[in-house]
Amino acid sequence: SQKIEQNSEALNIQEGKTATLTCNYTNYSPAYLQWYRQDPGRGPVFLLLIRENEKEKRKERLKVTFDTTLKQSLFHITASQPADSATYLCALAPSGGYQKVTFGTGTKLQVIP
Amino acid sequence: IAGITQAPTSQILAAGRRMTLRCTQDMRHNAMYWYRQDLGLGLRLIHYSNTAGTTGKGEVPDGYSVSRANTDDFPLTLASAVPSQTSVYFCASSPGLGSTEAFFGQGTRLTVV
Repeated sequence: SQKIEQNSEALNIQEGKTATLTCNYTNYSPAYLQWYRQDPGRGPVFLLLIRENEKEKRKERLKVTFDTTLKQSLFHITASQPADSATYLCALAPSGGYQKVTFGTGTKLQVIP
Repeated sequence: IAGITQAPTSQILAAGRRMTLRCTQDMRHNAMYWYRQDLGLGLRLIHYSNTAGTTGKGEVPDGYSVSRANTDDFPLTLASAVPSQTSVYFCASSPGLGSTEAFFGQGTRLTVV
């Protein structure tokens, strides 16, 4: 069966360091992969999308890589700030519509001042 | 402010009671979705709608029904609530099913006792 794995343990890092979150998947051939941010008591907010034929995407301090051979995506936040503290969700989508998007359980990031 | 509004924000409901969770969007998006989010399971799709007048089943539709009488509103009804429906419910929308990004509401925390 399809499976998306994100580290369920919280990631604690020092302010200014680079945070790296991992999303692994099995039995899946995604057309694209997304990363969302979710704050406590709020809905997810879209951050970045990377397609299957792309290796890397950047947006300001965010960088996403996508390795379809390893079946893994890495999400990096450089120069992390306490305001980056949140839960980050990865989501995979096959072709055929957003209703087929599958979400991971998320990794909680805590940036320590 | 444009976006998705969900109501109520939270609710405690007796088992066996009927409940409708409301969702309204003002972005004129065609596609709308209902998810539930449970600890350790991530977001799971309950029902979705491609456009007004059409609905489809997601991963976990049992015990839930939806309607889409117009573009803006997408209510989710629990006909006879059970404790396993205790969850946080998120409504989302996207311009169309082919969109690669969805916009989420703030969620409704439902407890069935």
